[in-house]
Amino acid sequence: KNQVEQSPQSLIILEGKNCTLQCNYTVSPFSNLRWYKQDTGRGPVSLTIMTFSENTKSNGRYTATLDADTKQSSLHITASQLSDSASYICVVSAMLGNEKLTFGTGTRLTIIP
Amino acid sequence: NAGVTQTPKFRVLKTGQSMTLLCAQDMNHEYMYWYRQDPGMGLRLIHYSVGEGTTAKGEVPDGYNVSRLKKQNFLLGLESAAPSQTSVYFCASRPPGRPVETQYFGPGTRLLVL
Repeated sequence: KNQVEQSPQSLIILEGKNCTLQCNYTVSPFSNLRWYKQDTGRGPVSLTIMTFSENTKSNGRYTATLDADTKQSSLHITASQLSDSASYICVVSAMLGNEKLTFGTGTRLTIIP
Repeated sequence: NAGVTQTPKFRVLKTGQSMTLLCAQDMNHEYMYWYRQDPGMGLRLIHYSVGEGTTAKGEVPDGYNVSRLKKQNFLLGLESAAPSQTSVYFCASRPPGRPVETQYFGPGTRLLVL
């Protein structure tokens, strides 16, 4: 069964600090992995997409990594800001030609001043 | 562009009542989706549509029906609401030719069934 597991479940850090969120998946055959940011009371918004051949991709203060061999991805946030407080969801698609995605349960990140 | 909008934002139903959730997108996207999000679980696909006039079942379709009469609208219906359908419902859309995980989400509808 395809699964996506994220850790930690929740994280609290001081403003200005860095943090790393983890995503492990068992989706097969792997196609793409995407990180979404979901603010409280809002829908998810895409941050970055990782394909099988990509190891690292940055989007401003966000850097995502992918290790397709160990089936792990991480999202690193640098110099955190209060606006980074949100849930971060890892989503994986399989190369099956259908519309099904496997969503992680998310990591709830809280930035405190 | 308003993107993906959902109506209503919040609703309380009694068990057995029916209702329709409306999703509208102004991006001319072919594909549209309905998900539910429950505490401690990832988003789960209820139904989806690959174009006007077409619908298909997702992971958790029981108790829901959908219709896509117009390309820009995707309706989710609950014929007889149950407490287990208390959830936050998200609509999403994506253009053709983009990876399936390239979805644009609406702000969600919070539904409470008593």
